[in-house]
Amino acid sequence: DAGITQSPRHKVTETGTPVTLRCHQTENHRYMYWYRQDPGHGLRLIHYSYGVKDTDKGEVSDGYSVSRSKTEDFLLTLESATSSQTSVYFCAISESGQGDGIQYFGAGTRLSVL
Amino acid sequence: SQQGEEDPQALSIQEGENATMNCSYKTSINNLQWYRQNSGRGLVHLILIRSNEREKHSGRLRVTLDTSKKSSSLLITASRAADTASYFCATHFGNEKLTFGTGTRLTIIP
Repeated sequence: DAGITQSPRHKVTETGTPVTLRCHQTENHRYMYWYRQDPGHGLRLIHYSYGVKDTDKGEVSDGYSVSRSKTEDFLLTLESATSSQTSVYFCAISESGQGDGIQYFGAGTRLSVL
Repeated sequence: SQQGEEDPQALSIQEGENATMNCSYKTSINNLQWYRQNSGRGLVHLILIRSNEREKHSGRLRVTLDTSKKSSSLLITASRAADTASYFCATHFGNEKLTFGTGTRLTIIP
């Protein structure tokens, strides 16, 4: 999976608890993305980063925050998890931030919020 | 939404047959990409086709783009069991980020 590691791979948590997902890359790509994948919705962009400490919102950012303190790490935090955030979360990286950049994906994190 | 829509949602064919899936979108694009996702894995990039291109090939894959109809097709020739996966188109327009469709689930029957 192109030098991208997501952790944890699986997580079960309870409603109202904070959750942090980690994405680590060894490719030194500038751009990093967090997506969620749900049946019938395809992949939807949550947040993305265009550099250290530079982040922006995507299509479905409500209830999520991100941080990027190093080039290689991009964290996704659910401040207070809800059942609607049960999903599979994917991290992706790219060299180009424009839509013509090819994205490389991690293996995903399956999150269940009970 | 600019989201591409794949058709069909699911497709089952015999090994050795050709598989064709389509992607339609709503507004003018800069480029369109196809990705594959095996069960339980992340997406893998297959082909990028730009708006001024009509056809691209990569091994057994052929992608066409018809900007007048706002549609693209992905053809997999001589299918193999290993081609069983979901296939997604992703569109790029303007300064927006890549937008993914909902995918076609392809099953190759041995």
